[in-house]
Amino acid sequence: EPEVTQTPSHQVTQMGQEVILRCVPISNHLYFYWYRQILGQKVEFLVSFYNNEISEKSEIFDDQFSVERPDGSNFTLKIRSTKLEDSAMYFCASRVLLQETQYFGPGTRLLVL
Amino acid sequence: EDKVVQSPLSLVVHEGDTVTLNCSYEVTNFRSLLWYKQEKKAPTFLFMLTSSGIEKKSGRLSSILDKKELSSILNITATQTGDSAIYLCAVGGGYQKVTFGTGTKLQVIP
Repeated sequence: EPEVTQTPSHQVTQMGQEVILRCVPISNHLYFYWYRQILGQKVEFLVSFYNNEISEKSEIFDDQFSVERPDGSNFTLKIRSTKLEDSAMYFCASRVLLQETQYFGPGTRLLVL
Repeated sequence: EDKVVQSPLSLVVHEGDTVTLNCSYEVTNFRSLLWYKQEKKAPTFLFMLTSSGIEKKSGRLSSILDKKELSSILNITATQTGDSAIYLCAVGGGYQKVTFGTGTKLQVIP
């Protein structure tokens, strides 16, 4: 069964460094999402992406964040200058055009020191 | 601001018990309500509900949406230890935004 994959599974970085989290959505899916989950807290929507552009973003998704689909398969989340409070699990999700069901990747655990 | 509230926050039951988890929501431009199960890492999809009053079933799990009451319930009958997890309710609203509740942590003890 096709799955959303994410790399790396864990990343440790120093405050102020840039990180890029990578996702490979399911191949026939057209909508892509990033979520984060701070330890012990709820899953929070960051951004949705369709047709090579951001379709909606939350208040969390400020200028420090950007997303890109650099080729036909990868979907990336870049955090330009990480802060301690960016430490969280980051999930990528994707879905097909006419269905709401999103399929989640296994997540990247980001730790900012 | 869109809001999704789940209750109870946590629940401990014995194997074989039936549980009912609740989700209520206030979102702009409701599109759908989804239930997910989160064990160690990523949420895994359980149900998607868009129409009021139509029950969705999968084995021992079932769910129904009440759009008049802006709520949904997830029922699990004959619980097993493998049902222990956090159950997440998520509501699609706006254009693409999805708002998650804090989840209900279910622990099933033998």
